[in-house]
Amino acid sequence: ILNVEQSPQSLHVQEGDSTNFTCSFPSSNFYALHWYRWETAKSPEALFVMTLNGDEKKKGRISATLNTKEGYSYLYIKGSQPEDSATYLCAFDTGGFKTIFGAGTRLFVKA
Amino acid sequence: DAGVIQSPRHEVTEMGQEVTLRCKPISGHDYLFWYRQTMMRGLELLIYFNNNVPIDDSGMPEDRFSAKMPNASFSTLKIQPSEPRDSAVYFCASSSGRERWTEAFFGQGTRLTVV
Repeated sequence: ILNVEQSPQSLHVQEGDSTNFTCSFPSSNFYALHWYRWETAKSPEALFVMTLNGDEKKKGRISATLNTKEGYSYLYIKGSQPEDSATYLCAFDTGGFKTIFGAGTRLFVKA
Repeated sequence: DAGVIQSPRHEVTEMGQEVTLRCKPISGHDYLFWYRQTMMRGLELLIYFNNNVPIDDSGMPEDRFSAKMPNASFSTLKIQPSEPRDSAVYFCASSSGRERWTEAFFGQGTRLTVV
């Protein structure tokens, strides 16, 4: 059974803090790693798709790194804002479009 | 493009009734995915289509669930008969698939409650 784990489960930070969280996935059968941002009552929104070991992607204040050999990806948010409050999901793609989602990290940013 | 459109947004039905969820993917996208989100199991892939053909339905929980894609702009997920444990949010997503790892775009979801 392929397991994708995200930590922490939830995170409370103050506005302006920088934060990061982790997605762990099997180091074998890797095809791609996806990060999604999911606000309450909305649909998941794709942030990054990462395919190569050592990949680093950036979108505004959010960035992500990928280590396929050890099976982890980090998502960083620099200078958190209240509008960053959401659940951040990672999804491990084994090929054949069978993406397996983690349970998510719930981020709360307090003004 | 309006994005992936799902209907209805909310559905409340009685146990034993048939439920049909609908999805309109983004125009030009050739992959369509149905997901189910529950508190216990998170987000799970149920089935996906490529060019209207079902490719992998191994995530469909049981025979009560069926999905069709009669054309490139429409798909349905049907539950017959529905049971209370089917209560969940059902998401449809589409992607272009031009590159193998293209990101998927999700619809707003249908919140299904079976009483």
